Amino acid sequence: KQEVTQIPAALSVPEGENLVLNCSFTDSAIYNLQWFRQDPGKGLTSLLLIQSSQREQTSGRLNASLDKSSGRSTLYIAASQPGDSATYLCAPNTGNQFYFGTGTSLTVIP
Amino acid sequence: SQTIHQWPATLVQPVGSPLSLECTVEGTSNPNLYWYRQAAGRGLQLLFYSVGIGQISSEVPQNLSASRPQDRQFILSSKKLLLSDSGFYLCAWSDVGIYGYTFGSGTRLTVV
Repeated sequence: KQEVTQIPAALSVPEGENLVLNCSFTDSAIYNLQWFRQDPGKGLTSLLLIQSSQREQTSGRLNASLDKSSGRSTLYIAASQPGDSATYLCAPNTGNQFYFGTGTSLTVIP
Repeated sequence: SQTIHQWPATLVQPVGSPLSLECTVEGTSNPNLYWYRQAAGRGLQLLFYSVGIGQISSEVPQNLSASRPQDRQFILSSKKLLLSDSGFYLCAWSDVGIYGYTFGSGTRLTVV
């Protein structure tokens, strides 16, 4: 079974900082990997989807990289804003299922 | 475009009462459908997934069951709720995973 670890579990940064969230997974035989954002009490919003053949994917201030062979993905957030405060989850897909880490809780301080 | 609907948004039920949560998807056919639960302070736990009508896979033994009576309808049920069933329930769909998951807005269930 896929095991997903996200580090750090929590992160607090001042506004404007660039930051990196880390995700590692045990089964490298994935089809793709998805990064989500979850606001308190809300559902999950998809941020980026990286196919297994891709190395990285960008959307605005977000950049996600994938090193499938080593079982790692990172989410880079540039010029963080208070509105980025949320929990970020990574989910590698090994077939019909995505497996989730417990997330990184991000707080951006104005 | 595809949309996913999940209801109700919140639910407070007494212990021992039945449960029925519904999820429907529009704008696609033969989606993979999923039910997840998120307990307070914990990660997402996959409960059930379905790759077609009447095809249900269960990830963990529990007090819950799922059914897929129609192609784009997924129902989560319980005959008798337990306190431990409280949590945030999320429905999701994917197009065989190629384009990732899309989640519904969730149901906050409190069993009292």
